[in-house]
Amino acid sequence: GAVVSQHPSRVICKSGTSVKIECRSLDFQATTMFWYRQFPKKSLMLMATSNEGSKATYEQGVEKDKFLINHASLTLSTLTVTSAHPEDSSFYICSARDFREDEQFFGPGTRLTVL
Amino acid sequence: GQQLNQSPQSMFIQEGEDVSMNCTSSSIFNTWLWYKQDPGEGPVLLIALYKAGELTSNGRLTAQFGITRKDSFLNISASIPSDVGIYFCAGQLGGGSNYKLTFGKGTLLTVNP
Repeated sequence: GAVVSQHPSRVICKSGTSVKIECRSLDFQATTMFWYRQFPKKSLMLMATSNEGSKATYEQGVEKDKFLINHASLTLSTLTVTSAHPEDSSFYICSARDFREDEQFFGPGTRLTVL
Repeated sequence: GQQLNQSPQSMFIQEGEDVSMNCTSSSIFNTWLWYKQDPGEGPVLLIALYKAGELTSNGRLTAQFGITRKDSFLNISASIPSDVGIYFCAGQLGGGSNYKLTFGKGTLLTVNP
């Protein structure tokens, strides 16, 4: 099946710094990518929908200035957590939709810990 | 917004037993999906259902898309230790640009050898 990668797999940063997470579709082109957030023992909550070449669409309650999303190419979307705080600590997962198929493929996730 | 109710929240079973879990929704979906997530990993698709009433199998897994389009169940037969993990249902409206997934809260499965 299609492969989606995320980098880094885990990151620890100090409060106030910004962290960039990359999501790449390795063997297909993804016109749409999705960013999710997952707290321990909780479900995946959609944060935003990222469309190549256009602005991301954020879900209600998600601060777009806090979570910057850039989908610059058909294989790469980035999520930047700006001025991170301990409450931003979470598991961030991306998925990518192969435009030829009606299926989303998930990345392995990025564990963010903000001290 | 749409919400999915997934049950049970957790299950503890013996190896070899069958398992059943289900999801219900307050509104309809056009696609139902079942995923498995291992600790520290992203979800992996198990079964996708595209048509109301559809019954689909994938090895020991069987899932059905409810006729009302507001529910789905997943059965696992003859469970084995590697079935351990969190199982999520997800609904999708689809069509046009609406490919967002709404996830259930998950079912934590523990299999005792």
